[in-house]
Amino acid sequence: DTAVSQTPKYLVTQMGNDKSIKCEQNLGHDTMYWYKQDSKKFLKIMFSYNNKELIINETVPNRFSPKSPDKAHLNLHINSLELGDSAVYFCASSHPGGTHNTQYFGPGTRLTVL
Amino acid sequence: SQKIEQNSEALNIQEGKTATLTCNYTNYSPAYLQWYRQDPGRGPVFLLLIRENEKEKRKERLKVTFDTTLKQSLFHITASQPADSATYLCALDTGRRALTFGSGTRLQVQP
Repeated sequence: DTAVSQTPKYLVTQMGNDKSIKCEQNLGHDTMYWYKQDSKKFLKIMFSYNNKELIINETVPNRFSPKSPDKAHLNLHINSLELGDSAVYFCASSHPGGTHNTQYFGPGTRLTVL
Repeated sequence: SQKIEQNSEALNIQEGKTATLTCNYTNYSPAYLQWYRQDPGRGPVFLLLIRENEKEKRKERLKVTFDTTLKQSLFHITASQPADSATYLCALDTGRRALTFGSGTRLQVQP
């Protein structure tokens, strides 16, 4: 029944490592997003994909690369992790034809870089 | 630059009182504004949407107002309950097919 799911829920890793976070939605939505929420709880858009096509790419380091194998999945790969990457990462989806970009969020992935 | 501000990082009120949260924005002309609730360790959950041509919207104990002249939205929870304790986020359409979120207000309702 889970609408937007993310794995893993927690990710603890060393600086310099490469890691991926997976996201899947079963809502039939066309658009998926990645947000970063920092320690001050500020939620900031990183990427947005519509039907597997990148439509928003905020000022995010090249070390972050989203991949959308199909419109139900949007994965986030991070290379050469840095301390400042520690945050909670949320995946979300919306249906552009639906009510004004209402976002449906996943449970979040707490990334801790040591 | 564009900015969204939500009043006080934290708001403490007594059970049964009305909680009023504020969202102010500058340099936007949003067509609509949304409010979300976020509980610790969870993703935000959509609560209400109000369009620019609507003054007020209600849903059960929730009420949202939208003043495009003042560039402000107020979010009210009447007869508040401890279960209403959470962080509340406002979000604006900024014309980029995505929302821009405020930093949130953490509401604590004391029994």
